[in-house]
Amino acid sequence: AQTVTQSQPEMSVQEAETVTLSCTYDTSENNYYLFWYKQPPSRQMILVIRQEAYKQQNATENRFSVNFQKAAKSFSLKISDSQLGDTAMYFCAFMPIFTDKLIFGTGTRLQVFP
Amino acid sequence: GAVVSQHPSWVICKSGTSVKIECRSLDFQATTMFWYRQFPKQSLMLMATSNEGSKATYEQGVEKDKFLINHASLTLSTLTVTSAHPEDSSFYICSTRRLDSPLHFGNGTRLTVT
Repeated sequence: AQTVTQSQPEMSVQEAETVTLSCTYDTSENNYYLFWYKQPPSRQMILVIRQEAYKQQNATENRFSVNFQKAAKSFSLKISDSQLGDTAMYFCAFMPIFTDKLIFGTGTRLQVFP
Repeated sequence: GAVVSQHPSWVICKSGTSVKIECRSLDFQATTMFWYRQFPKQSLMLMATSNEGSKATYEQGVEKDKFLINHASLTLSTLTVTSAHPEDSSFYICSTRRLDSPLHFGNGTRLTVT
C-alpha cells in the first residue's frame, strides 16, 4: 500500500522569504503522480503543483517549485517570495497512474508572518 | 469559475437522522466522483469511489450501509450519512475531473451531529 509522510506539522516563514515543505512517500510502482495541495481556512482544496513520476524535470509553477527525488521517494515543495496569502495547510498527495484516487499526507500548516 | 458544486456547505442534524450531501459537476459529465472525509486538523481520507450507473466502491473500513452513495446521473453523486451519530461529525468533500484536466474539489460540507 502506498503511504505519504509529511514530517513537519507546522512551519513558519517571514514574508518574502523562501520555505521548503518536505514530503516522502512509499510505493512499489514506477509510474505515478505527485501533487501539492493548499487548503486555506475556507477549506477549499487548491492544486498548487503536479509532478509526473516519469518526468525527471522538476515541476515549477511561478513561485512554487518541487524537488522530486524518485530514488529517494522524496517530493519537497519550495515556496519562494512567500506571501501572506500562502498561509494555509499544505498536503502532499500521491496518485497511482490510471486512477484518480489521491492518498494524502498528514499536512503541514504554514504560517507566513509579515 | 467553480467546476464542482457541493451542497450543503454546512449542516447540523440530530443524532439518528440521515443527511444527504450532493456533489455536482458543472458543465461536464463525470462518470466517476470521489468522496473524502476530513476530521478536524487531520488529512483527507478517501471513503469511496462513486461510479455512474453502478455500485460505489468503498475503501477498507468504510461502512457502505452507513455511507450510501448514489450516482444516478452523469453530473450528480450523493452521499447519504444514515442514522448519523456524533462521531460522524466531520468535513466531507468530493472530487472529480474533466477529461484531461486536474482533479477539482467541491467546497466541502461540514457535518455536525448533535
